[in-house]
This record gives sequence, structure tokens and C-alpha cells, in this order.
Amino acid sequence: AQSVTQPDIHITVSEGASLELRCNYSYGATPYLFWYVQSPGQGLQLLLKYFSGDTLVQGIKGFEAEFKRSQSSFNLRKPSVHWSDAAEYFCAVGAMGDGGATNKLIFGTGTLLAVQP
Amino acid sequence: NAGVTQTPKFRVLKTGQSMTLLCAQDMNHEYMYWYRQDPGMGLRLIHYSVGEGTTAKGEVPDGYNVSRLKKQNFLLGLESAAPSQTSVYFCASTTPPRLAGGLNEQFFGPGTRLTVL
Repeated sequence: AQSVTQPDIHITVSEGASLELRCNYSYGATPYLFWYVQSPGQGLQLLLKYFSGDTLVQGIKGFEAEFKRSQSSFNLRKPSVHWSDAAEYFCAVGAMGDGGATNKLIFGTGTLLAVQP
Repeated sequence: NAGVTQTPKFRVLKTGQSMTLLCAQDMNHEYMYWYRQDPGMGLRLIHYSVGEGTTAKGEVPDGYNVSRLKKQNFLLGLESAAPSQTSVYFCASTTPPRLAGGLNEQFFGPGTRLTVL
């Protein structure tokens, strides 16, 4: 069965420092991968997604993610973190048991990012 | 466009009471989903719908019922609330997957925080 693992429950970085959030997936074929962000008290917003092609994907708010098939990873990165980036980040993989027909997603447990001034 | 809206934003129930959560979207999306979010568990799919008049069970459907009488609305019902249903509930919607473009982004509502005493 497909699954997504986010190993880091909570990360704290200083404002201006670089950021990398880890995401590992399990799926035999090329997965559909997503990163969402949830600001406090808000719904989830898509940061970026990967389906095929270039393995380095650019998203909104200066985020990028790199798909590495050999490591089954899709880590999210940002070169310089801003205080407004403090939020919870979720990695998700498309659930392909039905061939993707229902567009269902499987979410990781999330990583809570705190930004120190 | 309002996007995806959820009613109510907050609710406190006593064990055994019933209630209905309303999700509405104005993007003409075919697919709609109900998730629950619990600390350390990410988002888990309760029920989903791929079109008006059709619903299906997700990962954690027990204790919930849904209806999709109109394309723009997706209702989540709790017939007899239990403390284990204390959670934040999110609704999402999207369009059917594209043949060449893979799975689509899900658009999320702001959530309903439900407490069952």
C-alpha cells in the first residue's frame, strides 16, 4: 500500500536560514507528489506538485522540491526562511489503487515549522 | 469566488447529539472530499464523492454519513457524536484527473473545529 513518511514532527530554524523538510514515499511506479502548507487556523494551500519531467520543481513563496527516485524522496527546500513561513507542512502522494480515477491523496503526518527571529 | 467554504467554523456537542457539517464550493468541481485532522496523524479521508448523487467511503468512515444532493454541496453528518470524533474537519474539492496531466490539486476549506464532550 502507498504511504508517505515525514520523519520530522517539529523543526525550528532561524529567520534567513535555509530549510529542508523531508518526505519519503512508498510506491512502485512514478508517484504523483504534492506539498501543502497550512497556516495556523487555516485550510491547506498547495505549494507545488510533481508528476513527471524535471525532477526539481518550483513552487509558490520561493519553495522548491526535488524528486529523487533512488531515495524515494521528495524533500521541500527554501534557501532563506521568512517569519511568515511558520506553518505546518504536509507531503502527499496520489493514491493510485484505482488508477488515480478518484484523485485521492494520502497525506503524511506533517512537519511543524517554527521560525526564530 | 469564495472557493470552498465550510459551515460552521466551530461547534461543541454533547455525546450522542447529531449534527451536519456543510461544505460548499463555487468552482464547479466534480470531486469533493471530507477529511479529519488529528494531532500527529495528518489528514485522513472520511468520505468522498466523484459526482452529484454519488458517495464512497474513505479511510475512516465509521460514525459518519454524507450526502451530495447538489454538485456544489457536500454534507457530512454525525448521527450520534462520540468524544473520539473531536477533531478538525476539512472539506476539499477538485476536478477529475486529466489523462495527460495526472492528478489535480485539491482546494481546501478553512475547516470546522468540532469538540464532543
